[in-house]
Amino acid sequence: DVKVTQSSRYLVKRTGEKVFLECVQDMDHENMFWYRQDPGLGLRLIYFSYDVKMKEKGDIPEGYSVSREKKERFSLILESASTNQTSMYLCASSLTGRASGNTIYFGEGSWLTVV
Amino acid sequence: KQEVTQIPAALSVPEGENLVLNCSFTDSAIYNLQWFRQDPGKGLTSLLLIQSSQREQTSGRLNASLDKSSGRSTLYIAASQPGDSATYLCAVSLIKAAGNKLTFGGGTRVLVKP
Repeated sequence: DVKVTQSSRYLVKRTGEKVFLECVQDMDHENMFWYRQDPGLGLRLIYFSYDVKMKEKGDIPEGYSVSREKKERFSLILESASTNQTSMYLCASSLTGRASGNTIYFGEGSWLTVV
Repeated sequence: KQEVTQIPAALSVPEGENLVLNCSFTDSAIYNLQWFRQDPGKGLTSLLLIQSSQREQTSGRLNASLDKSSGRSTLYIAASQPGDSATYLCAVSLIKAAGNKLTFGGGTRVLVKP
């Protein structure tokens, strides 16, 4: 089975701290994604990557950056955490190409609280 | 810009009744459409994926249909059980989107009462 692992399930950080959220997938997927999910706003795409060292902005990239140095790992970075970044963060991965069906697989989520 | 809408936002049914969940999208140039289940505080689990060339997909008690021309998909869950209680989300991937990124609907929260 495909596994997408988010290393931290629950984090509490202070305003202004630098925060790293790590995500690892074990199925050699090209595409990886970071979403945040908020009540009433649904899932919104922050950044995605379709190859190592490649990244593209999603719908709400402000205040975030990402890193993909290895195919299996995609990191989300909050350079200076703010209270409005309190949210649930979801990492996902998928293959490219029609043969795969492009099913997307999600991690369990990381609950971040910024105080 | 693609917009995905799910109505109703919440649904409560007695056990055994069939569930009908609706999803609509504004741009018909989709690559595929997926239905997901999300339990409280958890990630999303993919239930069904329908390619743009398909009209439906089935898995056990679940059946999803796709009508691209009208921008609609419907998820049917037969003979609902309390274990089906969860939030169901649909998401579409546009043909022209790099990396097959998805646009999600807001979800329908389902409660199946014993």
